[in-house]
Amino acid sequence: QQPVQSPQAVILREGEDAVINCSSSKALYSVHWYRQKHGEAPIFLMILLKGGEQKGHDKISASFNEKKQQSSLYLTASQLSYSGTYFCGTTATYSGAGSYQLTFGKGTKLSVIP
Amino acid sequence: NAGVTQTPKFQVLKTGQSMTLQCAQDMNHNSMYWYRQDPGMGLRLIYYSASEGTTDKGEVPNGYNVSRLNKREFSLRLESAAPSQTSVYFCASSESITDQGLIYNEQFFGPGTRLTVL
Repeated sequence: QQPVQSPQAVILREGEDAVINCSSSKALYSVHWYRQKHGEAPIFLMILLKGGEQKGHDKISASFNEKKQQSSLYLTASQLSYSGTYFCGTTATYSGAGSYQLTFGKGTKLSVIP
Repeated sequence: NAGVTQTPKFQVLKTGQSMTLQCAQDMNHNSMYWYRQDPGMGLRLIYYSASEGTTDKGEVPNGYNVSRLNKREFSLRLESAAPSQTSVYFCASSESITDQGLIYNEQFFGPGTRLTVL
């Protein structure tokens, strides 16, 4: 099943913070976060694995709650360049065919305005 | 180092026509993927190839065929195009990395092909 992302869209002013959530109805092994700007390819942000640590780089970080089958992406002190659509992708297993099949959510559109 | 390349960038077909979308990667990755992206739907996996010589169906394989020509190239064929196949198609590649017992599988995407079927 497709993971559910919330909110569907959010508008921020520069410097504000945002949280994007991704939840699944089934047990997860990994959660992948991507950002896509209009007309471009998705760009990998980070991956969180079952049993792994919270990841982050610069002012973007993420957490993975294995028990709740949820992940959250945290954007702090947002910049104009953060605008785009954020997708989470999930896998249910760590080996075999399932480890290659990312199931993506429908995306969260983030708009950062001056 | 071009990463993942796709051709063509744009294509318009008439219903019933056939075409092949080409994808190549120069990162020496073992795994390659084809996705389609429709408005409001996110990315959906059509087919993937875990390694050279193998291909498997993803979530939405009907109406498509694939060929893993060699380690670098993975093509997607539409034998008889239908309007429902109007979409943006993305190819991706990945290599699994094991670090402290955990397996990472970061996917790199190509620029996409915009296909319209009339």
